Amino acid sequence: EVQLVESGGGLVQPGGSLRLSCEASGFTFSSYWMHWVRQAPGKGLVWVSCINSDGSSTSYADSVKGRFTISRDNAKKTLYLQMNSLRAEDTAVYYCARGFSGSDPWGQGTLVTVSS
Amino acid sequence: QSALTQPASVSGSPGQSITISCTGTSSDVGGYNYVSWYQQHPGKAPKLMIYEVSNRPSGVSNRFSGSKSGNTASLTISGLQAEDEADYSCSSYTSSSTVVFGGGTKLTVL
Repeated sequence: EVQLVESGGGLVQPGGSLRLSCEASGFTFSSYWMHWVRQAPGKGLVWVSCINSDGSSTSYADSVKGRFTISRDNAKKTLYLQMNSLRAEDTAVYYCARGFSGSDPWGQGTLVTVSS
Repeated sequence: QSALTQPASVSGSPGQSITISCTGTSSDVGGYNYVSWYQQHPGKAPKLMIYEVSNRPSGVSNRFSGSKSGNTASLTISGLQAEDEADYSCSSYTSSSTVVFGGGTKLTVL
């Protein structure tokens, strides 16, 4: 079964850091682009970042550029999102998703709450 | 990176057809055939329903179809069923090598 499982979310103070992980199983992880997408409570989906299959190319939304870093370890079949200088507006459920032209599947999400 | 424009809500009765629009610009929807549609039930992860404008993933009902004209993409659901009640979001690749989502549309089956 193709599956993505996120972890690493939690409560962090403004200005703090967190690293999210997304562990893949059931498919050849190293062959796929991967994305992070977030959803604030009661709001719509917002794209955060993506990375190509070998990790050599990355892209970021303007709102996180310079603060967040996407990376992957194909040997561990794991995608990461390093989040620094966190702000209240970064509070959201963070999803990882597989694929470039249409993301499928998505993980179950991990909640990040930025609050003092 | 402005969000794509979707109606906040649409509704229809069982058996009817509805269409959800997704309007962008020539730098995203109009410039690429990389428009996707996602269905999301409350508390659940999004599910891919349409990719590359009009392609259905395996397992998605053929009641769901996608199209594009100019800078506007559309998702049509025919033969509405109660289980179709959910939020629907579109996304597109952009000329900045990023991805942009729409604000989402809540579908109510009356």
